[in-house]
Amino acid sequence: GENVEQHPSTLSVQEGDSAVIKCTYSDSASNYFPWYKQELGKGPQLIIDIRSNVGEKKDQRIAVTLNKTAKHFSLHITETQPEDSAVYFCAAQEQGGSEKLVFGKGTKLTVNP
Amino acid sequence: KAGVTQTPRYLIKTRGQQVTLSCSPISGHRSVSWYQQTPGQGLQFLFEYFSETQRNKGNFPGRFSGRQFSNSRSEMNVSTLELGDSALYLCASSLGLAGSGEQFFGPGTRLTVL
Repeated sequence: GENVEQHPSTLSVQEGDSAVIKCTYSDSASNYFPWYKQELGKGPQLIIDIRSNVGEKKDQRIAVTLNKTAKHFSLHITETQPEDSAVYFCAAQEQGGSEKLVFGKGTKLTVNP
Repeated sequence: KAGVTQTPRYLIKTRGQQVTLSCSPISGHRSVSWYQQTPGQGLQFLFEYFSETQRNKGNFPGRFSGRQFSNSRSEMNVSTLELGDSALYLCASSLGLAGSGEQFFGPGTRLTVL
């Protein structure tokens, strides 16, 4: 089955700096890669997703890039703000009948004012 | 429109007991997935129900079970609780199957097993 590795597990940046979180996946057939943000006491919320027919997608300060050959995808947050502090999860859709989402173990991002 | 709701929000049980958690999906959503979230393991998939049928199942023992009703509401049950079952249990709903598009998560049920 699919395996997703996420790095780093913790990330601390200064307000205004950029933050990058990277994930690798094992199943070359996976074709859907969402990113979720989880704030304290809340469930994860989708912030951006990308499908395998696209190499990059942007939404204001957030962007995701996908390298299918290397089987990795990354989340980029520019001009970070304190409210970006949260745990971020990447995921990949498993193929081969299951089609469930397999999540990375999360990155705790802290943006220092 | 109302989001995904989970009840109860907090539960304290003792080893050996059983527990039932409830999830009400967003209106119109037919898929409900359940996840166990722990600090060391992240989000681990338990199972997914779509139109009252279990579509997928994760690698959890048979003590973990679930069902979905005709109105798409779902319950999960854990029998013979163990200390290691302490976790945040999240449910997520989506229009289609879990991997076909956005999943909307509820706030979770925090289960503590003493």
